[in-house]
Amino acid sequence: AQSVTQLDSHVSVSEGTPVLLRCNYSSSYSPSLFWYVQHPNKGLQLLLKYTSAATLVKGINGFEAEFKKSETSFHLTKPSAHMSDAAEYFCVVSDMIIQGAQKLVFGQGTRLTINP
Amino acid sequence: SAVISQKPSRDICQRGTSLTIQCQVDSQVTMMFWYRQQPGQSLTLIATANQGSEATYESGFVIDKFPISRPNLTFSTLTVSNMSPEDSSIYLCSVPDGGGTEAFFGQGTRLTVV
Repeated sequence: AQSVTQLDSHVSVSEGTPVLLRCNYSSSYSPSLFWYVQHPNKGLQLLLKYTSAATLVKGINGFEAEFKKSETSFHLTKPSAHMSDAAEYFCVVSDMIIQGAQKLVFGQGTRLTINP
Repeated sequence: SAVISQKPSRDICQRGTSLTIQCQVDSQVTMMFWYRQQPGQSLTLIATANQGSEATYESGFVIDKFPISRPNLTFSTLTVSNMSPEDSSIYLCSVPDGGGTEAFFGQGTRLTVV
């Protein structure tokens, strides 16, 4: 079975500084990987996804992630944090495919706090 | 993208009662997924609901506790039966995009059992 490990349960950065949220995955095949964001009292929103195309994936709101097969990592970065980035972030790996739909396995989440 | 509406958005229920959560999608989808997010935790898949057949439950979840209906391609319900405080969670429904490479989520139902 596929799995993901988010290495930090909580990350705190100052506004305007870089953001790094770490994720390692375990997969027996070339996986699809995702980052989702969950703002307080709001639904999950897809930030970006990797599906075996370019290894550097750009997402919304200035976020990007790099797929590194040799390190089994898919870390999320942003050059400059904004107060609105404060949220919970989930690294997600696709598991099996059922009738064309991927089952998703979620990491434990990383809470990102932005300090003014 | 799909637009998913969940009802209710939140509820406070007495232990021993049941709550049915509705999920409405603005397009026809074959598969729908139900997740649970316990307080401070990540999302765990409860079951996969396919229209016209029995739902498939993940390990640790059973139909008697979480019965699911899927009457058509745009609608599903999840019932949380005989609730206890341990069932206090956010419940989310999800559907895949047409290519099966992305998932869309409803806003979730925040359930508190007292």
